[in-house]
Amino acid sequence: DGGITQSPKYLFRKEGQNVTLSCEQNLNHDAMYWYRQDPGQGLRLIYYSQIVNDFQKGDIAEGYSVSREKKESFPLTVTSAQKNPTAFYLCASSFSPRGVNTEAFFGQGTRLTVV
Amino acid sequence: AQKVTQAQTEISVVEKEDVTLDCVYETRDTTYYLFWYKQPPSGELVFLIRRNSFDEQNEISGRYSWNFQKSTSSFNFTITASQVVDSAVYFCALSGDSGAGSYQLTFGKGTKLSVIP
Repeated sequence: DGGITQSPKYLFRKEGQNVTLSCEQNLNHDAMYWYRQDPGQGLRLIYYSQIVNDFQKGDIAEGYSVSREKKESFPLTVTSAQKNPTAFYLCASSFSPRGVNTEAFFGQGTRLTVV
Repeated sequence: AQKVTQAQTEISVVEKEDVTLDCVYETRDTTYYLFWYKQPPSGELVFLIRRNSFDEQNEISGRYSWNFQKSTSSFNFTITASQVVDSAVYFCALSGDSGAGSYQLTFGKGTKLSVIP
């Protein structure tokens, strides 16, 4: 089945540790996104990538890093510099040729808790 | 800068009632796209509708309907004869050209709908 797979579903991290969230898609989409969701805050964009080997910061990129070495994969690393990393993280992808915007499809999310 | 406002934080209705979820947006782009997503308790966002800024026709899909009015910068969502399965958080989102042909989705804070049997 085509879709977006995020893993793990739940993740616990000790303070001071880096952790990487996985996002894989088999929809052949060019664009991929990472969002953070906090209660009552909606979704906020962390990073996005329009093509392989290129990505841009979103609204809340501090303390996060990404890579886009393959079209299908867009992993997100939550570094120790992120002061409040406990949140629900959603990955998305879309088919977005230049000048046109289509809907984004989302994974099931990863709930990260710092202990 | 883009902004999406969903003024209703939570709404409760009794099953079979109609309910309208409000969405007001701000953008300076002449070409933009509006979306509605549903987030059930499982967490995954489910795409419901996309509308571009040049298409002001209202749309109906089963019990769902959308009213897009550029004059008031609104894109409201109505559920007719609500059902318990409609209980979820609903997000309105806006996408405009953030430069060099790239688009970013800006989300509202969501409206939590509870349908009581």
